[in-house]
Amino acid sequence: DVKVTQSSRYLVKRTGEKVFLECVQDMDHENMFWYRQDPGLGLRLIYFSYDVKMKEKGDIPEGYSVSREKKERFSLILESASTNQTSMYLCASSSMVKTQYFGPGTRLLVL
Amino acid sequence: QQQVKQSPQSLIVQKGGISIINCAYENTAFDYFPWYQQFPGKGPALLIAIRPDVSEKKEGRFTISFNKSAKQFSLHIMDSQPGDSATYFCAASIGQGGKLIFGQGTELSVKP
Repeated sequence: DVKVTQSSRYLVKRTGEKVFLECVQDMDHENMFWYRQDPGLGLRLIYFSYDVKMKEKGDIPEGYSVSREKKERFSLILESASTNQTSMYLCASSSMVKTQYFGPGTRLLVL
Repeated sequence: QQQVKQSPQSLIVQKGGISIINCAYENTAFDYFPWYQQFPGKGPALLIAIRPDVSEKKEGRFTISFNKSAKQFSLHIMDSQPGDSATYFCAASIGQGGKLIFGQGTELSVKP
């Protein structure tokens, strides 16, 4: 069965902290994605990766970076967390011709 | 041009009724249009998807209607049930595995 796991369901961080969100998929998918979900705005793409060590900016990359050292793992990094990064963060993966599968999400609160 | 506009933002339907959610897009290069369903505390999950070479796709109580000339597509949920209460997102992409552009979401509540 398809599985995308995210390291935390809930996180509370302070402004200025460095935050790591981890995502792991067990489907040998080439593509991985990070979205943030906010009420009334839907899901917005932050970064995506089509291969190991590859990364592409999505629609809202400012304030974020990513790392993909292994095919199954895709990390989202908030270098210096700010209150406007309080959100639900969703990771997804897909192969080139298959649909995207989503993890359960991480709800991040930045105080 | 990359946007997908979804309406309504929220929808209340009586049990047994028909729920209809609409989406519109601008980019004619989009060739894959999925609908995702999200329950509270869960990530979105694919519900049904369509390609622009067909005008309708039905899976059980869920139907996508696609109007290529109008650049619109819609989700119809027949015989809506309380268990259908969730947030629904339309999306569009170029290629099935590629990045998705999501609509704003519709929160559906089906009253018993």
